[in-house]
Amino acid sequence: NAGVTQTPKFQVLKTGQSMTLQCAQDMNHNSMYWYRQDPGMGLRLIYYSASEGTTDKGEVPNGYNVSRLNKREFSLRLESAAPSQTSVYFCASTLDRGGNQPQHFGDGTRLSIL
Amino acid sequence: GNSVTQMEGPVTLSEEAFLTINCTYTATGYLSLFWYVQYPGEGLQLLLKATKADDKGSNKGFEATYRKETTSFHLEKGSVQVSDSAVYFCALRGGNAGNMLTFGGGTRLMVKP
Repeated sequence: NAGVTQTPKFQVLKTGQSMTLQCAQDMNHNSMYWYRQDPGMGLRLIYYSASEGTTDKGEVPNGYNVSRLNKREFSLRLESAAPSQTSVYFCASTLDRGGNQPQHFGDGTRLSIL
Repeated sequence: GNSVTQMEGPVTLSEEAFLTINCTYTATGYLSLFWYVQYPGEGLQLLLKATKADDKGSNKGFEATYRKETTSFHLEKGSVQVSDSAVYFCALRGGNAGNMLTFGGGTRLMVKP
């Protein structure tokens, strides 16, 4: 019963390095999301994908890109990491973008940019 | 746009104490309200939800009522346990943000034996 799986769990990068965070879900969900979590600020939406083949910007998209590789996988890429991107990143999925279905979250990726 | 405000933590209680975590929101239109819980080292899990005004969501002894007149969705539990120690997030969907979730800043609860 894997649900939403994120890799890696921890990563340390140097400023300017690039990296891709991976996310996969096995619940046949249509919509997937990337959030960042910072102290006292809750979760802020970076990008989302309402369905396979579509992606849209969220609240804080600058410095990030995403790819909805297939229905299961939704990756987040940092092309040139900056210290301000030090955060905990969460991937989530839900059956459909609308309605009242809850979002299912992965366990997070803790990313530090030096 | 939408916004959600939670009381700042940490909230520290003794086991079996009564818990209230306040949550108020700014949004109009058709809304759904949620409480999520995050245990250490884990992602968020849905705790309870309410999808219309005056609805009460409940789960695992926690309750919250969607009060449109006071724009609130306070979380309560009559008797907390050490295992309830976690961070709690209030969130809403609807209003200006459409189907996107808007989260509050989170409230850390620490329950001591």
